[in-house]
Amino acid sequence: GQNIDQPTEMTATEGAIVQINCTYQTSGFNGLFWYQQHAGEAPTFLSYNVLDGLEEKGRFSSFLSRSKGYSYLLLKELQMKDSASYLCAVADSNYQLIWGAGTKLIIKP
Amino acid sequence: GAVVSQHPSRVICKSGTSVKIECRSLDFQATTMFWYRQFPKKSLMLMATSNEGSKATYEQGVEKDKFLINHASLTLSTLTVTSAHPEDSSFYICSARPLARDYEQYFGPGTRLTVT
Repeated sequence: GQNIDQPTEMTATEGAIVQINCTYQTSGFNGLFWYQQHAGEAPTFLSYNVLDGLEEKGRFSSFLSRSKGYSYLLLKELQMKDSASYLCAVADSNYQLIWGAGTKLIIKP
Repeated sequence: GAVVSQHPSRVICKSGTSVKIECRSLDFQATTMFWYRQFPKKSLMLMATSNEGSKATYEQGVEKDKFLINHASLTLSTLTVTSAHPEDSSFYICSARPLARDYEQYFGPGTRLTVT
């Protein structure tokens, strides 16, 4: 079957760094996405990885290891507005997104 | 670019009535649009995949006669919730995939449906 695992909830301190992990098992792989979702809003795109390695975009970075079925989202210099759910999604062989349950990130002052 | 709109953003309807939700890609053409449902504190659940000019493909467990999907053009897909019941109350989100860019999806802002 298809499965995406990520932690349910994480807590971090403003100004710190946090890493959100995602492991996956899917039928086919056409890339891994990270989305940010604030309560009551639709997801917004953060990153897309299809090749192994680290992609950096400002305070956010995303890493992928296809051989290990593993990705992480790294958030630096955390701000209170980063409090949100972070969704990991994998595009399968038909480019259909398979979603993880999301990680709720709580930022404390 | 790559903006997707949904209308209405919020709707309250009485049990037994039907509600139509529109999803539009404003500045690109989308051969494929997706309809998701999200319960509070839950991840997105794909309901159906809508392809322009053909019948939608529904996920297992989703009633196609209850959730009618029409993808009449390359910029518009509609979801009609027929004979709505309180358990249909949810956050419905659409996304659109641009032509020839299979790895991209852009989400609409979502529609909050409350059935009383």
